[in-house]
Formats: sequence, C-alpha cells, structure tokens
Amino acid sequence: EADIYQTPRYLVIGTGKKITLECSQTMGHDKMYWYQQDPGMELHLIHYSYGVNSTEKGDLSSESTVSRIRTEHFPLTLESARPSHTSQYLCASSSGYEQYFGPGTRLTVT
Amino acid sequence: GQNIDQPTEMTATEGAIVQINCTYQTSGFNGLFWYQQHAGEAPTFLSYNVLDGLEEKGRFSSFLSRSKGYSYLLLKELQMKDSASYLCAVRPAAKDMRFGAGTRLTVKP
Repeated sequence: EADIYQTPRYLVIGTGKKITLECSQTMGHDKMYWYQQDPGMELHLIHYSYGVNSTEKGDLSSESTVSRIRTEHFPLTLESARPSHTSQYLCASSSGYEQYFGPGTRLTVT
Repeated sequence: GQNIDQPTEMTATEGAIVQINCTYQTSGFNGLFWYQQHAGEAPTFLSYNVLDGLEEKGRFSSFLSRSKGYSYLLLKELQMKDSASYLCAVRPAAKDMRFGAGTRLTVKP
C-alpha cells in the first residue's frame, strides 16, 4: 500500500485567489511528480522533482509553481486561480520505475 | 511530437479475455507502462516493459514490440471489478512520462 497523500481532495475557489495543493509521501521516494487530468483525457505531466531543491517543468505548460524543500513534501501553488485551471491534479512519487499516485485534488475555479 | 494511441472504449463479457492495444511514436524510449484507473480514483501500476516480449503477472500480461512501436495489455478471466480505464504510458526520456488518453473497459455479466 502506497503512502502518498493529497489535500484538499476537493476545492471550489473564486477567480484570483491564491491556492496551494499539498502532496506528501512517507516512502522516502526521491522522485515526485504533478499531473493534470481533465475528465476522460490523458494525464499531463506539469512538474517533477528528482530530489530536494530540484524542480523542473513537464510537457504541459502550467502557470503553477512547485517547491521541494523536504523529501516528503511537494506542494503546488497557483498564484491567481482562473476558471481554465479547473481540473484534477494528481501527485505521484517513485524510487524506481513504478509511480505511486495520490488520490488527487479536484479543483473548480468559479 | 509524441503520440500515444489506444482505443477509447471496449466492452467484454465476464470470464472472457480482452486485449487492449497501444501504439506509440515518441522521440525516445525508456520503457512502457500500463496503469489501471477506476472512475474518480488515482491510477495504479499494472506493468512495465522495457524489452521486447511478454510480461505476465497473474491475470494480466503485457507485450511490447519496440520496432513496431506497439504494446498490448491482455486481461484474462475478466471480472466485473476490471471495469476501469487502462492507461498506456511511455517514458521517452529518463525525466519524462507521456500518457495515452486511456481505454475505458466495461465488463458485462
């Protein structure tokens, strides 16, 4: 059983608000990822980290930012939420080739 | 560009065998993955292929042909709980992962 957690699970927020989506894992994995997934669509990698103080952007352009100050924690921040940010955000971690996914945060921006 | 194609939907009968195909065109290849995703839930890992051939794990098997850019996931003895989306993903480079849109499988009694 993978131990990777995301909060909140659901979030409805108004346009222009700053939000931070939390992701934590207790497996000591060095690699962590953020994906964005719209209903019925493919997952898109938006950020990844291969260790503390290392972050890179994925293939999908995103207005979000991430930080990796501690191994277990990989938060994603939107400085000013917009309706186009409405989506599901999935966090994952890995030590080898298998990625373990968190339960996701379903974000709605009104 | 990077393309990963798989059928959008498939239907099969409980107890039967189903094969879900995936074709890919990517700038590089560092492995192919299959994930299962139930509606509203997170994906869970099923299989990993990096060399040509068949990998078997219980009721699930995955096949890879790198020269053809082709993989399939074979599900045997289908159960109702196998109704889910099956995601094909390719790692074009060590620090990248591309997912297909997924195949929604419905298992009927």
